[in-house]
Amino acid sequence: ETGVTQSPTHLIKTRGQQVTLRCSSQSGHNTVSWYQQALGQGPQFIFQYYREEENGRGNFPPRFSGLQFPNYSSELNVNALELDDSALYLCASSSNQGVGTTDTQYFGPGTRLTVL
Amino acid sequence: GEDVEQSLFLSVREGDSSVINCTYTDSSSTYLYWYKQEPGAGLQLLTYIFSNMDMKQDQRLTVLLNKKDKHLSLRIADTQTGDSAIYFCAESMGDKIIFGKGTRLHILP
Repeated sequence: ETGVTQSPTHLIKTRGQQVTLRCSSQSGHNTVSWYQQALGQGPQFIFQYYREEENGRGNFPPRFSGLQFPNYSSELNVNALELDDSALYLCASSSNQGVGTTDTQYFGPGTRLTVL
Repeated sequence: GEDVEQSLFLSVREGDSSVINCTYTDSSSTYLYWYKQEPGAGLQLLTYIFSNMDMKQDQRLTVLLNKKDKHLSLRIADTQTGDSAIYFCAESMGDKIIFGKGTRLHILP
């Protein structure tokens, strides 16, 4: 059974640029959630994808967007990067039973994004 | 509102028990979790408890849940240097998980 993987591990961008982060879910899982973890903080929920559609969203602006593919892998896209977007971005996969539900989430190692 | 509170630091001597406490706000949470994060790493699911349980034991880990007071605790028996990490308490809320800010566990020799 393969775990959750994310790429890249580290990324440096400048203000105003766009970034795409990738996540492969754990084998057998159909749902991917994305979290932002700023330094010294707990992870904050960005959004979740289930059956290729957004299944819930946290308090993040529209410049944070995502995709889920038929193989359940997912991308997080952030446009017009700001300095405060510097954080560890964590992807978690789970096996949900339906919209509005959640099962135990297993996390990947994260992508550390630095915005200069 | 959505809030999970936990103390930021805990120091424990090697071999002693560590107890990390947490309070949460949503009484309808189905699951409550403890995650461990080592420096530079992602989150490792340590254990979780269903909201209809009072206690769960898994080897050196004991989770206690007081649903009336919305209080969750994690006890690590015989704390080892490898237990040094940040421990996050979290509650399920619909399609997302709400995390506390984490408790940094420091092991004294």
